Amino acid sequence: EIVLTQSPGTLSLSPGERATLSCRASQSVSASYLAWYQQKPGQAPRLLIYGASSRATGIPDRFSGSGSETDFTLTISRLEPEDFAVYYCQQYGSSPYTFGQGTKLEIK
Amino acid sequence: EVQLVESGGGLVQPGGSLRLSCAASGFTFSNYAMTWVRQAPGKGLEWVSAIVGSGGSTYYADSVKGRFTISRDNSQNTVSLQMNSLRDEDTAVYYCAKDRQRSTGWYGYFDYWGQGSLVTVSS
Repeated sequence: EIVLTQSPGTLSLSPGERATLSCRASQSVSASYLAWYQQKPGQAPRLLIYGASSRATGIPDRFSGSGSETDFTLTISRLEPEDFAVYYCQQYGSSPYTFGQGTKLEIK
Repeated sequence: EVQLVESGGGLVQPGGSLRLSCAASGFTFSNYAMTWVRQAPGKGLEWVSAIVGSGGSTYYADSVKGRFTISRDNSQNTVSLQMNSLRDEDTAVYYCAKDRQRSTGWYGYFDYWGQGSLVTVSS
């Protein structure tokens, strides 16, 4: 089973700043089959990025994904108030498909 | 508009059973794999079970194998999760989710999620 470790656990930033979230895999993620989701309190997760770097439909271009093999990054170029939430990475290259433990992005 | 609506959650005693259902609309249901993902209170996400569009293949996490059964009815656009021998650790919000990729298989990443159904296992 591929274990995904997200860092930091909590990230405190201000609107307008740049956010960089990390996801490290215990083994190489085949074909960069890595996704990122955003979850706000009381809501279902929302797909942001798939294939490590492809934005899902309707996702603003301030969200970008990068990385390969074992190291992946989600970058939010300029934080908007609605971006403060919990972010999860997920690998779907090797069953069982696993999620990271999440990074909470909070307002500083 | 794609909609996924879960139902069937509730309070059940350890060792009991519960059946969750998810009604789908707004897309050609039989063309997509469907997955159940759960989230324990205050915790992260855990994939539980998946079924391909035809219903011909199913997948289970080790934590639920032998206890949970996933099924689908493509004539009714529903996917269900029969949960038996429930344990305290099965307490979670259960989401049904749609594969983003149209396929005969299971890609395992999700572009639409339901609102979730809370299952509480407690005596």
